[in-house]
Amino acid sequence: EPEVTQTPSHQVTQMGQEVILRCVPISNHLYFYWYRQILGQKVEFLVSFYNNEISEKSEIFDDQFSVERPDGSNFTLKIRSTKLEDSAMYFCASRVTYEQYFGPGTRLTVT
Amino acid sequence: GQQLNQSPQSMFIQEGEDVSMNCTSSSIFNTWLWYKQDPGEGPVLLIALYKAGELTSNGRLTAQFGITRKDSFLNISASIPSDVGIYFCAGQRNSGTYKYIFGTGTRLKVLA
Repeated sequence: EPEVTQTPSHQVTQMGQEVILRCVPISNHLYFYWYRQILGQKVEFLVSFYNNEISEKSEIFDDQFSVERPDGSNFTLKIRSTKLEDSAMYFCASRVTYEQYFGPGTRLTVT
Repeated sequence: GQQLNQSPQSMFIQEGEDVSMNCTSSSIFNTWLWYKQDPGEGPVLLIALYKAGELTSNGRLTAQFGITRKDSFLNISASIPSDVGIYFCAGQRNSGTYKYIFGTGTRLKVLA
């Protein structure tokens, strides 16, 4: 069964460093998402991407964040200068209909 | 801002019991999704609902799209230990938006 994959599963970085989180959405999906979940809290929407552009973003998704779909399969989230408060699980999701499927997540730890 | 409140926040139940939880908002939603999340993993889609009053089942799980379109309900029948986890509702407000708003979650603990 097709699934969303994410790499790495865990990323440790120092404050101020750039990180890139990678996702491979399900192959025939058209809508792509990044969400964040701080430990013990709910899942928060960051950004949606459709037709090679950002379709919607939250107030969390400021100028430090960017997304890219560099080829036909990968979807990346870049954080330019990480802050301690960026430590969280980051989930990629994709859909073609209204059913949205999540990847296993990347745990980002900023020290 | 838009908020989805889930109730109860957490619950302990005995194995074999039925479970009910709900998700409410002050806003109208067009689509409801229910997810289960195990520790350290991504949310897994359980059920999708698309119109008011719709009742959909997936094995022992049954979910309903409230007729006011401001709420949704999830029932689990005959709970088993592997039902342990956090259940999230997620809603999409209308066709003009792409994002899903997640609820606050219901943490389920099953006592064998």
